[in-house]
Amino acid sequence: EADIYQTPRYLVIGTGKKITLECSQTMGHDKMYWYQQDPGMELHLIHYSYGVNSTEKGDLSSESTVSRIRTEHFPLTLESARPSHTSQYLCASSAGTGGAGYEQYFGPGTRLTVT
Amino acid sequence: RKEVEQDPGPFNVPEGATVAFNCTYSNSASQSFFWYRQDCRKEPKLLMSVYSSGNEDGRFTAQLNRASQYISLLIRDSKLSDSATYLCVVMTGRRALTFGSGTRLQVQP
Repeated sequence: EADIYQTPRYLVIGTGKKITLECSQTMGHDKMYWYQQDPGMELHLIHYSYGVNSTEKGDLSSESTVSRIRTEHFPLTLESARPSHTSQYLCASSAGTGGAGYEQYFGPGTRLTVT
Repeated sequence: RKEVEQDPGPFNVPEGATVAFNCTYSNSASQSFFWYRQDCRKEPKLLMSVYSSGNEDGRFTAQLNRASQYISLLIRDSKLSDSATYLCVVMTGRRALTFGSGTRLQVQP
């Protein structure tokens, strides 16, 4: 089992609130990722990081921001939540160094509902 | 055209059946390939990596055809617990993984 954690697991919040979704991994992986997935739909990459102080935007445009100050921690922040942000957010990590190192391991996800 | 294309299914099969899923990818520079399994409302879990020579893990066999840009997953002797969505996943360059939309499998008693 991969050691990657996300909190909270479920969040219901009102429009306009600032929220931070937490993601931590204890595997020492350099690469971390955030995906967004709506029910029954495919995963879309919204942010990724190849190491401390490195962050990039993914394929899907997102109003969220991320930071990577520590290897094990990759939080995602929404400054002002809107109903369109309602979705499941999945964090993943990988060692990222060839072959099996590209395999990504996922956290349990945060299911966000903005009312 | 999507980077990774899968038949969405659902595939409804009886227990004990053999079922095969196919996947095509559009970028010939893709380097690494995987099958993930995702249960309803859960996170994806790595099922197996796919190697050029093909590989097997118990009842599961994965094949890669680089010339045709095609990946397959074969499940033998299906179990009820195999019911899930199977995601074909491709990595190109240094980018993160690109996920197909998944093929849903329902194994029936």
